[in-house]
Amino acid sequence: SAVISQKPSRDICQRGTSLTIQCQVDSQVTMMFWYRQQPGQSLTLIATANQGSEATYESGFVIDKFPISRPNLTFSTLTVSNMSPEDSSIYLCSFRGTEGLAQYFGPGTRLLVL
Amino acid sequence: EDKVVQSPLSLVVHEGDTVTLNCSYEVTNFRSLLWYKQEKKAPTFLFMLTSSGIEKKSGRLSSILDKKELSSILNITATQTGDSAIYLCAVEESYKYIFGTGTRLKVLA
Repeated sequence: SAVISQKPSRDICQRGTSLTIQCQVDSQVTMMFWYRQQPGQSLTLIATANQGSEATYESGFVIDKFPISRPNLTFSTLTVSNMSPEDSSIYLCSFRGTEGLAQYFGPGTRLLVL
Repeated sequence: EDKVVQSPLSLVVHEGDTVTLNCSYEVTNFRSLLWYKQEKKAPTFLFMLTSSGIEKKSGRLSSILDKKELSSILNITATQTGDSAIYLCAVEESYKYIFGTGTRLKVLA
């Protein structure tokens, strides 16, 4: 199955700054997703990254705060903008596997905002 | 509103015990149900269950989908300390997945 990598694996950032997280898959995939997992919580879908068009955001998430790029079928970025301590979370990218509908996750980015 | 609920929220057992984790769902257009194991950051895929594949087994882990009851169970037999993790259930509705709250399993030596 495809291998997915994500970087950085962790970061500590100051309030008001922005961080861009990169996600790379070693084969072309149609659908890529970005999730957030706040401490002690389950996974919440932020948006679906669409190749060649704007991302589709879930309720409660907006493009100004979480701009997403998807320049091709193997790569996507998520930016967490103007960060506050409430943005401290694990951010995960994922893709739909070619074998059926299963979804696979990258290793995740642990973000701490001070 | 679509939702996925897992129970129990947490569970502590001893090595060798058998555990059953539950996942119930209410979604408009069910397509599949996934089980994951999360130890650190990234959830690891375990099983996918669909209308055409309602029972899966891998080693000591097995899972069954009950479409009539809108639920699934994940069984782990002869538990080991390495099974300690959060187990997540996710249900596909349209093109995206809705995740449950997770069950935190602790296996004591």
